[in-house]
Amino acid sequence: DTAVSQTPKYLVTQMGNDKSIKCEQNLGHDTMYWYKQDSKKFLKIMFSYNNKELIINETVPNRFSPKSPDKAHLNLHINSLELGDSAVYFCASSQESVGGYGNSPLHFGNGTRLTVT
Amino acid sequence: AQSVTQLGSHVSVSEGALVLLRCNYSSSVPPYLFWYVQYPNQGLQLLLKYTSAATLVKGINGFEAEFKKSETSFHLTKPSAHMSDAAEYFCAVSRFYSGGGADGLTFGKGTHLIIQP
Repeated sequence: DTAVSQTPKYLVTQMGNDKSIKCEQNLGHDTMYWYKQDSKKFLKIMFSYNNKELIINETVPNRFSPKSPDKAHLNLHINSLELGDSAVYFCASSQESVGGYGNSPLHFGNGTRLTVT
Repeated sequence: AQSVTQLGSHVSVSEGALVLLRCNYSSSVPPYLFWYVQYPNQGLQLLLKYTSAATLVKGINGFEAEFKKSETSFHLTKPSAHMSDAAEYFCAVSRFYSGGGADGLTFGKGTHLIIQP
């Protein structure tokens, strides 16, 4: 029983294409996130969603659009892919709502390695 | 704003030796701190967390960390390294947005732990 699952695990595509990454959590959490990990392993938050509502968009280009059909799913759609989008994208969830105390950990999926050629 | 600094992008220890990974934090509010481990091609797994209870926190796989407010540190230790400990380790602090509530984690740049046989 994978708590946070992402598909696909690997995604290779050409510049200019549009692609999506799917994320599902079965932990019953209200809050989900997208993080980007670059080639130097640096992790940066992209989006946070609280019960299907976008809370924070951390200066991410509007080519990236998260979609949350229900609180267990948070998909990431990327338009007009660029070389610089190549990275590992992680979905995460938390039992704590945005605006809470901050003492709950994040639970991460195994990541999607996106390669843009 | 909250931030963490991990000293040493790479740490190498012999099998059986003490592991010490350093993390210093900066926070305008009492911090909640976390250590995560990332094995190759996997997601991040929670090792332990500090949420203002005991200052010495024990985690999984024999790791522990001590919160020292006077030094603004949260270093991770393990008495005896094992080959299976080779991985990337991340220190993280809860982030708080301008409205005052928590929203996800801010990560350090990671420390790559190498275990020499």
